[in-house]
Amino acid sequence: AQSVTQLDSQVPVFEEAPVELRCNYSSSVSVYLFWYVQYPNQGLQLLLKYLSGSTLVKGINGFEAEFNKSQTSFHLRKPSVHISDTAEYFCAVSPYSSASKIIFGSGTRLSIRP
Amino acid sequence: ETGVTQTPRHLVMGMTNKKSLKCEQHLGHNAMYWYKQSAKKPLELMFVYNFKEQTENNSVPSRFSPECPNSSHLFLHLHTLQPEDSALYLCASSQDRDQTYEQYFGPGTRLTVT
Repeated sequence: AQSVTQLDSQVPVFEEAPVELRCNYSSSVSVYLFWYVQYPNQGLQLLLKYLSGSTLVKGINGFEAEFNKSQTSFHLRKPSVHISDTAEYFCAVSPYSSASKIIFGSGTRLSIRP
Repeated sequence: ETGVTQTPRHLVMGMTNKKSLKCEQHLGHNAMYWYKQSAKKPLELMFVYNFKEQTENNSVPSRFSPECPNSSHLFLHLHTLQPEDSALYLCASSQDRDQTYEQYFGPGTRLTVT
């Protein structure tokens, strides 16, 4: 079985400051890793994903994440946030054997202060 | 219409009512999903359909009954719900054959059971 832990339920950040949203996962099998974003009153949208290859993954809106297998982490980062980044961010994993079965973390609410 | 659409966007129903949620995807995908999103909890996968066949039922109570008449439409029939079933119900779709493993989400139906 797989599980995903997002250590921070809320992260307040000032505009133009850097941000890191933390994600750790647990799995006995190899997994794909994802970050999704949910803006208010909308569904989830894929930010980025790690399937294989380079452990540093770049996504949309200037976000990037680094896969660390030894620490079973997939933290999300952005060097300078904007008001428009205010949203809830979900880390997720899916096993190689059943890629359609995505397991989500409980989410981190990112709030940007002017 | 583009992407994944869901109707209605909001629904209030009593515990003895019967209602249905509708999802339609305009992306030519072959897999569709229902998720439940409750406050402070991770997204819960409820059902998965692949080529109109149900491939996953995550121990969902029988008061939730899915229907997938074709690859573009997915319904969730509701009857005798409980107040704890109040949540945001998200529909998603994906194209499993292209191995991108990305799911596209609709905006959700906000369900309130009174």
